[in-house]
Amino acid sequence: QKEVEQDPGPLSVPEGAIVSLNCTYSNSAFQYFMWYRQYSRKGPELLMYTYSSGNKEDGRFTAQVDKSSKYISLFIRDSQPSDSATYLCAMSGPGDYKLSFGAGTTVTVRA
Amino acid sequence: GAVVSQHPSWVICKSGTSVKIECRSLDFQATTMFWYRQFPKQSLMLMATSNEGSKATYEQGVEKDKFLINHASLTLSTLTVTSAHPEDSSFYICSARDRVSEQYFGPGTRLTVT
Repeated sequence: QKEVEQDPGPLSVPEGAIVSLNCTYSNSAFQYFMWYRQYSRKGPELLMYTYSSGNKEDGRFTAQVDKSSKYISLFIRDSQPSDSATYLCAMSGPGDYKLSFGAGTTVTVRA
Repeated sequence: GAVVSQHPSWVICKSGTSVKIECRSLDFQATTMFWYRQFPKQSLMLMATSNEGSKATYEQGVEKDKFLINHASLTLSTLTVTSAHPEDSSFYICSARDRVSEQYFGPGTRLTVT
């Protein structure tokens, strides 16, 4: 079993729809949770960074962490074609600088 | 925001030669830098972790003699792929960690070995 599970998709939605992405994990020590966006042949770009449980909102993006269920989510509201990319979840434990990545979900927003 | 650069962005080399990839943190000091490899349609695989002034820590299965990492300053780390072979063709990405906790990724280097 992988430490971080993420459905690779692909996921295709019409412009303006809400994109819902999620990851599950098995390591209860994880405390830092991140979502990265990666365009084709580019490095990952940090979108959201969350510590422990709770919600965090930044513009059209909302990240949720439920540590009791070992489940994290990313929602993208009013999706745009420019949101088409691969979204990677990542997480790490306290004092552990190494990130454990999900497989990445490829999202296409149709105009 | 923090910026990490990589050079070159794309390199083609012949089998048996060595290639050096540079990773620089442009506007912050990186106490730790990481090197990843990513194959098409796959996630990032951590190869090694390097701290300034000390030897790199390699992940299991990564040959330290083949992938030489040098972290000579707080803003520069290099990855040298020695005696490259076609199976080493991949997308190599570095990241740098600032003193807080976030990791910032470089744009990646596409290596093609012919």
